[in-house]
Amino acid sequence: DTEVTQTPKHLVMGMTNKKSLKCEQHMGHRAMYWYKQKAKKPPELMFVYSYEKLSINESVPSRFSPECPNSSLLNLHLHALQPEDSALYLCASSFRLAGGPYEQFFGPGTRLTVL
Amino acid sequence: AQKVTQAQTEISVVEKEDVTLDCVYETRDTTYYLFWYKQPPSGELVFLIRRNSFDEQNEISGRYSWNFQKSTSSFNFTITASQVVDSAVYFCALSDDKSGNTPLVFGKGTRLSVIA
Repeated sequence: DTEVTQTPKHLVMGMTNKKSLKCEQHMGHRAMYWYKQKAKKPPELMFVYSYEKLSINESVPSRFSPECPNSSLLNLHLHALQPEDSALYLCASSFRLAGGPYEQFFGPGTRLTVL
Repeated sequence: AQKVTQAQTEISVVEKEDVTLDCVYETRDTTYYLFWYKQPPSGELVFLIRRNSFDEQNEISGRYSWNFQKSTSSFNFTITASQVVDSAVYFCALSDDKSGNTPLVFGKGTRLSVIA
């Protein structure tokens, strides 16, 4: 299995909703990432997990809460989002962090719309 | 500070033409890694190549080739005999930290349209 899967593909939520994005990989990768990508812009890193521990938080607002329950799974919990948070949310994984950087493999993304 | 510049915002070519996407980078480190990713309309970023700073050999993979020149801090990407399926946004990226604590720095991307 050489892919990163993300669910759901599309999500529409109101500003008072709570929702979660899910990412899964079975390549044995020990580093996992969340990126946010606005239209016509490059991806912006949000969080990095290394061996299930949060390694980097790029000053992301607390309305985004990441979670890494095990080495294959990465979640992003969303609460009280704003319309400007509407974007494509990409998950990625790589072999590991130290000794790298290694190429990251990306999932297809979740297109989020906040109303 | 690291920086990646992709000066070409959009390029349009006719099918079967060759096209070169430019990437110029800045870093103070002597050890660094360069990447190219393709993002088709579906949204997923597809890894194309990883190259470290000590390996200046050019690389060819099918219709794709990469020209790495440290003297000009460039890592250009050429598609030979372009096809409609090559239409996508292409990102060049840089990282100079083997510990992994420095994330990838992406250029702004070049949107390539290949017209049949």
